[in-house]
Amino acid sequence: NAGVMQNPRHLVRRRGQEARLRCSPVKGHSHVYWYRQLPEEGLKFMVYLQKENIIDESGMPKERFSAEFPKEGPSILRIQQVVRGDSAAYFCASSPPSGYSGNTIYFGEGSWLTVV
Amino acid sequence: QKEVEQDPGPLSVPEGAIVSLNCTYSNSAFQYFMWYRQYSRKGPELLMYTYSSGNKEDGRFTAQVDKSSKYISLFIRDSQPSDSATYLCAMSANTNAGKSTFGDGTTLTVKP
Repeated sequence: NAGVMQNPRHLVRRRGQEARLRCSPVKGHSHVYWYRQLPEEGLKFMVYLQKENIIDESGMPKERFSAEFPKEGPSILRIQQVVRGDSAAYFCASSPPSGYSGNTIYFGEGSWLTVV
Repeated sequence: QKEVEQDPGPLSVPEGAIVSLNCTYSNSAFQYFMWYRQYSRKGPELLMYTYSSGNKEDGRFTAQVDKSSKYISLFIRDSQPSDSATYLCAMSANTNAGKSTFGDGTTLTVKP
């Protein structure tokens, strides 16, 4: 892919702790998307952000989950008070600031969260 | 009922075979259709992006969309062991492919 960087790649948290996942989009991309993938399932859209704005968070759980994409720095997906059901792969994708994203969307390698 | 249903697989074929991967959907608003390839423990990689009904070809890959039947397919010709991966279909109602609804994926193994 064209360089969406996610870290950490693997994260282990105990129940009740916080998880912070970071995503640096492709240089020049100002649109960021977060997806969650449970084992043996497809990706589920969570949130769509542009710089300093949440555009669509229709896929975000109402509690414990939040996302931001500040003017400077990476996008952050934050999960508070993690539970076992939060164990999943979290993928970030980015696209450029044009009306047509089409085939110019790139995914990162994912962050695998395990809650023990 | 899920908006996008994908043939679950797994699928195992000999090298050189033609592979057919399929998805059905229920949301008539979907206009843009995508196929992604995902290797184990990696992020999805966009393979094909098509708009509305019709066929699109790219090398050994052909994407087919039949909106009247709400059915899409990806064909892989002359399959190679390197094609072994999980294939995900995805759809969106607008040009923003970033907000897509995905199928659960079909795992393909191509045996040498």
